[in-house]
Amino acid sequence: ETGVTQSPTHLIKTRGQQVTLRCSSQSGHNTVSWYQQALGQGPQFIFQYYREEENGRGNFPPRFSGLQFPNYSSELNVNALELDDSALYLCASSFGRAGANVLTFGAGSRLTVL
Amino acid sequence: AQSVSQHNHHVILSEAASLELGCNYSYGGTVNLFWYVQYPGQHLQLLLKYFSGDPLVKGIKGFEAEFIKSKFSFNLRKPSVQWSDTAEYFCAGVNNNDMRFGAGTRLTVKP
Repeated sequence: ETGVTQSPTHLIKTRGQQVTLRCSSQSGHNTVSWYQQALGQGPQFIFQYYREEENGRGNFPPRFSGLQFPNYSSELNVNALELDDSALYLCASSFGRAGANVLTFGAGSRLTVL
Repeated sequence: AQSVSQHNHHVILSEAASLELGCNYSYGGTVNLFWYVQYPGQHLQLLLKYFSGDPLVKGIKGFEAEFIKSKFSFNLRKPSVQWSDTAEYFCAGVNNNDMRFGAGTRLTVKP
């Protein structure tokens, strides 16, 4: 089975720009969750998508948005980038709607905002 | 507010020493608890989980954790660590699709 893949692995943006991060879920999984991990901290929940609909959201502003596609892959979009958005963005997939399902993580996309 | 806290930021042990990493949670209602591990250069992966039942749960590689409801704790233990256990360990809790991770504990095992 294929794991969770994320792209790009690294990217640099300037303040005010917009970014799109992509995630392919593990084969057989239909739920995708996104996390932001700042340096020295644990992952923080951004939102979760189940069957193309948002199924929970953490404490992130509306400029963080997402999509899930029919093949269960997903995108995270961040508008109006701020310096504090610099972080590792992790995608995790799972099967089923319940938040307690075990997550399979990707390697992450490291975003630097200058 | 729901939260998970890990008190040890960096733990250094010699091989064969016993390990206990602390995790406390603050959740209203039912909570499911996890320990995830990230080995150097690898993705986060599940170590063990607690949903209900026996409060002592066993995971991979000889790790175990005990859910103590009265103490709001879910500490991770291993009787004898190996150099290959060097990694970052994250405790996490989830309730109603809101999963919270602790800040992580970096474990360094000296050969």
